[in-house]
Amino acid sequence: DGGITQSPKYLFRKEGQNVTLSCEQNLNHDAMYWYRQDPGQGLRLIYYSQIVNDFQKGDIAEGYSVSREKKESFPLTVTSAQKNPTAFYLCASSIFSGVSYNEQFFGPGTRLTVL
Amino acid sequence: DQQVKQNSPSLSVQEGRISILNCDYTNSMFDYFLWYKKYPAEGPTFLISISSIKDKNEDGRFTVFLNKSAKHLSLHIVPSQPGDSAVYFCAASAYQTGANNLFFGTGTRLTVIP
Repeated sequence: DGGITQSPKYLFRKEGQNVTLSCEQNLNHDAMYWYRQDPGQGLRLIYYSQIVNDFQKGDIAEGYSVSREKKESFPLTVTSAQKNPTAFYLCASSIFSGVSYNEQFFGPGTRLTVL
Repeated sequence: DQQVKQNSPSLSVQEGRISILNCDYTNSMFDYFLWYKKYPAEGPTFLISISSIKDKNEDGRFTVFLNKSAKHLSLHIVPSQPGDSAVYFCAASAYQTGANNLFFGTGTRLTVIP
């Protein structure tokens, strides 16, 4: 079964600790994305990557870091510099093409709660 | 600066009737639009899309209408079913700023009453 997996589904951390959220896809997609969703708000782009070993900041990258060492994996680290890290985090992937549009496929999400 | 807006946070419709969800955008560069459906504690799933060269796209019970001059699009669901109850997000992208980068609205929670 092709898809995107995010683990864990729920994550609790103490304030001041870094935490890494996992995202894996077996869809052979080139592009991967991280979004954050807060209550009453749309999805906001944190980081995205169009190819391995390359990634770009989205609208709200401050306090986050990513890596893209493998095509299948795009982990997101929420650092202690992120002022309000409690949120629902969504990972997505898509075919990357510079000349056509492709819908993004989303994982099930990770709800991070910082205590 | 919210470039894609869904001004109705919620909508309730009787089963069998039409549901109309609205979306407005401000960036005239947007040329591809998508609707996603999201259940609680799950990731959004793609529903339907439309390119700016069209004004209508239909897929079964779902139809998306695009009015470029008004920078407005709408999703029609006919007939509405209880399983359609979810949050619906409108999203847009612009080829010139990255065809794969999506800008999302804040969502509309649809409740279909049996």
